[in-house]
Amino acid sequence: GQNIDQPTEMTATEGAIVQINCTYQTSGFNGLFWYQQHAGEAPTFLSYNVLDGLEEKGRFSSFLSRSKGYSYLLLKELQMKDSASYLCAVMDSNYQLIWGAGTKLIIKP
Amino acid sequence: ETGVTQTPRHLVMGMTNKKSLKCEQHLGHNAMYWYKQSAKKPLELMFVYNFKEQTENNSVPSRFSPECPNSSHLFLHLHTLQPEDSALYLCASNLQGGEPHEQYFGPGTRLTVT
Repeated sequence: GQNIDQPTEMTATEGAIVQINCTYQTSGFNGLFWYQQHAGEAPTFLSYNVLDGLEEKGRFSSFLSRSKGYSYLLLKELQMKDSASYLCAVMDSNYQLIWGAGTKLIIKP
Repeated sequence: ETGVTQTPRHLVMGMTNKKSLKCEQHLGHNAMYWYKQSAKKPLELMFVYNFKEQTENNSVPSRFSPECPNSSHLFLHLHTLQPEDSALYLCASNLQGGEPHEQYFGPGTRLTVT
């Protein structure tokens, strides 16, 4: 079957760095997405990786290793507004998105 | 108005009621999706419409009935729901074709079935 694993919850301190991991087993691969979802709001797109390596976008970076079925989202200089759930999703060979359950990130002052 | 909108934002209904959820996008997208989001579970894809035609129906119970009259509007008709159907229902849209494109989500309808 198809499976996406990510930690349920993480806690970090304001100003620090946090890495949220995602491992996947899917039927084929057409890219990996990261979304941010604040409580009670819509998920919003953060990043898309289809080739191995690191993609940087300001304070957020996303890494992909296709051979290991692994990705991480790196958040630097954490701010209180970064408290949210972070969803990992993989597009399979049928161009369907397979979603993880999300990682709830709690930022403490 | 921009982005993806959904109405109503909150809905409480009894098991014998009939109601409809509405989704609208003004992004020029050609694909629209209904998802169910339950606490601590992955997003569950319910229906996909591509160019107004339904392309996926992931074994969703018949008490959920989608309708896509045009590429900008999507409805989810609900009847004789069960308490376990209580969840956040999200609508999304994107451009299908060529390279994969991110999906844009609406704010969701929080549904409670009593």
